[in-house]
Amino acid sequence: DVKVTQSSRYLVKRTGEKVFLECVQDMDHENMFWYRQDPGLGLRLIYFSYDVKMKEKGDIPEGYSVSREKKERFSLILESASTNQTSMYLCASSLEWGTDHYGYTFGSGTRLTVV
Amino acid sequence: GNSVTQMEGPVTLSEEAFLTINCTYTATGYPSLFWYVQYPGEGLQLLLKATKADDKGSNKGFEATYRKETTSFHLEKGSVQVSDSAVYFCALSSANQAGTALIFGKGTTLSVSS
Repeated sequence: DVKVTQSSRYLVKRTGEKVFLECVQDMDHENMFWYRQDPGLGLRLIYFSYDVKMKEKGDIPEGYSVSREKKERFSLILESASTNQTSMYLCASSLEWGTDHYGYTFGSGTRLTVV
Repeated sequence: GNSVTQMEGPVTLSEEAFLTINCTYTATGYPSLFWYVQYPGEGLQLLLKATKADDKGSNKGFEATYRKETTSFHLEKGSVQVSDSAVYFCALSSANQAGTALIFGKGTTLSVSS
């Protein structure tokens, strides 16, 4: 069964910590995405990557960075965690954008709490 | 820019009732349209999709028709079940020079009681 795996379901971190959220897909997909989900705001795109070592800013990249050293892995980094980054983080992947009409496959999400 | 607007929830229905969740979009070009569903504690799952005008997507008794003239993609089901309780997201594909990403609506919570 093909899937997207996020390394943690729940995380609690302290303000100022550097936080790594990991995402791995086993479908050989070209594109990978990080969204955050907040009540009343829906899903907002943080960063996406359409190839190894490539990245593009989404709608809300401030306070975040990403790394994609291998095709199957896409990491989201909070350089200095703040309480306003408490959220549900969702990773997704898709085939190269010429076939994107097939949609995304999502991971189960990481609920991050920054205290 | 491109955007998706969904009806606000929550939507509360009794089992076997008819469901409509409205979705309208603003986009340049000809985006593909999607409905995703999120069950409690889980990530999003693709429910159905349509890639061109007048296409009808369907899955698990849910249907939605891509209406270009009204820029809409309303989700319908003839008879809902308790197990349909979830959050439903409408989305469109948005291409730029870098690639394609999905733009999501804010989600509509559906609660079905027996």
